[in-house]
Amino acid sequence: GDSVTQMEGPVTLSEEAFLTINCTYTATGYPSLFWYVQYPGEGLQLLLKATKADDKGSNKGFEATYRKETTSFHLEKGSVQVSDSAVYFCALSHMDSNYQLIWGAGTKLIIKP
Amino acid sequence: EAQVTQNPRYLITVTGKKLTVTCSQNMNHEYMSWYRQDPGLGLRQIYYSMNVEVTDKGDVPEGYKVSRKEKRNFPLILESPSPNQTSLYFCASSWARGNSPLHFGNGTRLTVT
Repeated sequence: GDSVTQMEGPVTLSEEAFLTINCTYTATGYPSLFWYVQYPGEGLQLLLKATKADDKGSNKGFEATYRKETTSFHLEKGSVQVSDSAVYFCALSHMDSNYQLIWGAGTKLIIKP
Repeated sequence: EAQVTQNPRYLITVTGKKLTVTCSQNMNHEYMSWYRQDPGLGLRQIYYSMNVEVTDKGDVPEGYKVSRKEKRNFPLILESPSPNQTSLYFCASSWARGNSPLHFGNGTRLTVT
């Protein structure tokens, strides 16, 4: 069945560092891909998404490109801030699984000033 | 303001004492869902509803009940809570299952002793 694998955390970086959080998926065809973010004490919120190969989703300085050839959707940001500290979830949605969201385990990001 | 409201935010109860966690959304969304979040296990879907009077099991439905009598409300019922249901619970809603972004409540932290 469909699955999502994220890099394990926590990931600890200094402010202004470059961020990459890896996400790879297993699915047939062309699923839609998402990154959600969970700030401390809050529910998840959609950060960005991409619905077809080579699409780039972007929001709040974060970017992720849908790579069909490597089945990946890595999250990147050029210069992180303390306020980016959160848990990041990669997810996919596919018609073969009746559009149910399949979630990665989440990656905790800690940014130190 | 568009939002998903869960109550209560925190709940401590004893084994076997029935409880209900309420969820309400003001966005006229058709799709609603309940998740539990546990360390190392990510998000797991408990139940979901595609519309009024239509509910379906998710990945971990045992020990839970739901109802969808009105479009805006989707309560989660634990008839006889057990300690293994201690978790952080999230309600979420969207226009439809699939590519529509999920809007999450702020969570209910349940402890069953």
